[in-house]
Amino acid sequence: AQRVTQPEKLLSVFKGAPVELKCNYSYSGSPELFWYVQYSRQRLQLLLRHISRESIKGFTADLNKGETSFHLKKPFAQEEDSAMYYCALSGRGSNYKLTFGKGTLLTVNP
Amino acid sequence: DGGITQSPKYLFRKEGQNVTLSCEQNLNHDAMYWYRQDPGQGLRLIYYSQIVNDFQKGDIAEGYSVSREKKESFPLTVTSAQKNPTAFYLCASSTGTANTEAFFGQGTRLTVV
Repeated sequence: AQRVTQPEKLLSVFKGAPVELKCNYSYSGSPELFWYVQYSRQRLQLLLRHISRESIKGFTADLNKGETSFHLKKPFAQEEDSAMYYCALSGRGSNYKLTFGKGTLLTVNP
Repeated sequence: DGGITQSPKYLFRKEGQNVTLSCEQNLNHDAMYWYRQDPGQGLRLIYYSQIVNDFQKGDIAEGYSVSREKKESFPLTVTSAQKNPTAFYLCASSTGTANTEAFFGQGTRLTVV
């Protein structure tokens, strides 16, 4: 079974502070991991994927297979980062089932 | 205007009635998904489909049914067997290949009274 766990429902930080949104996963094979974001009144959209090793809007995420984690980090949070963040997992090959965590609501205070 | 469209945005039904939610995409995507979004529950997968005439149950398929007769369409029927049908429903599509991005619709809020 594949499972994604986001332990924090809510996370509140001040502008300029570092932020880390936690994500742990359970999957028997080689996973593909993603972070999706939903800003207020907007559609859910892709933020980044682990295979790309990219930084999007200052966010990065590293896949740690030993700890089965894919935490999302940003060194200096901005108010516009306030949104709902979802970690997601799919398998490779023929397993295209896309599973999401429960999400973390990030609030960045001025 | 390319994308994925869900209709209607709001839907009201009486208890005991079946209701069908529409999801259409013109992105030429093979894979399509239906999720249910409830507060504190995140996105829970109802059904998904990789190809026309094929679909798989997700984690909470009971009380729901789908069809995939056309590549661009993946309607979801909420049957009277679904015990808590009032929810926000999201449809998504992707190419279905490795590390592919899923594109989401605007969602349909179903209220059963």
